[in-house]
Amino acid sequence: DAGVIQSPRHEVTEMGQEVTLRCKPISGHNSLFWYRQTMMRGLELLIYFNNNVPIDDSGMPEDRFSAKMPNASFSTLKIQPSEPRDSAVYFCASRATDSNQPQHFGDGTRLSIL
Amino acid sequence: QKEVEQDPGPLSVPEGAIVSLNCTYSNSAFQYFMWYRQYSRKGPELLMYTYSSGNKEDGRFTAQVDKSSKYISLFIRDSQPSDSATYLCAMSWSGGYQKVTFGTGTKLQVIP
Repeated sequence: DAGVIQSPRHEVTEMGQEVTLRCKPISGHNSLFWYRQTMMRGLELLIYFNNNVPIDDSGMPEDRFSAKMPNASFSTLKIQPSEPRDSAVYFCASRATDSNQPQHFGDGTRLSIL
Repeated sequence: QKEVEQDPGPLSVPEGAIVSLNCTYSNSAFQYFMWYRQYSRKGPELLMYTYSSGNKEDGRFTAQVDKSSKYISLFIRDSQPSDSATYLCAMSWSGGYQKVTFGTGTKLQVIP
């Protein structure tokens, strides 16, 4: 089975630009999670969805960050406008809510804001 | 104080050594415990997970949970160079594996 797929793998853009990160969860998984990883703060949960509905967005740092899940097989995390301090690796993870299985992660998007 | 504390390392050991990785936590509500392995430029990969106190073994890996001391460990026997990675402990409370809190990770290097 294909794992969690994220795109792009790398993104370099200038401060002030809009950034869109994409995620395709594992088929059959109905919970989706967005994380940010930095050296200083480790892996932090930004937001998670259950059955395409946002359940907890308390980790979203600012209004510049937004996330959507229009259907069960696709989610986006958008940063507008981007700032240098948003530079990090962003991970998407998914799981089947009614299972006894933990989250499975994609390989991340390495974001650099110049 | 962070909810989950993990020594960042790096930890360097010779091939064949027994490795002990540890985390402490402060929230007694945590009930589900996990260990993830993360290779450079890759996503975290689930290694082991458990709900209960005690030991759980899987090949060369043993996860140990002591809820009374709020302490979890991962032991790696006969360590191999391919075990070189960052190991993240993770835990969650009611709701199972939905909202997970991660440690910052311990970087391990196994020297051939």
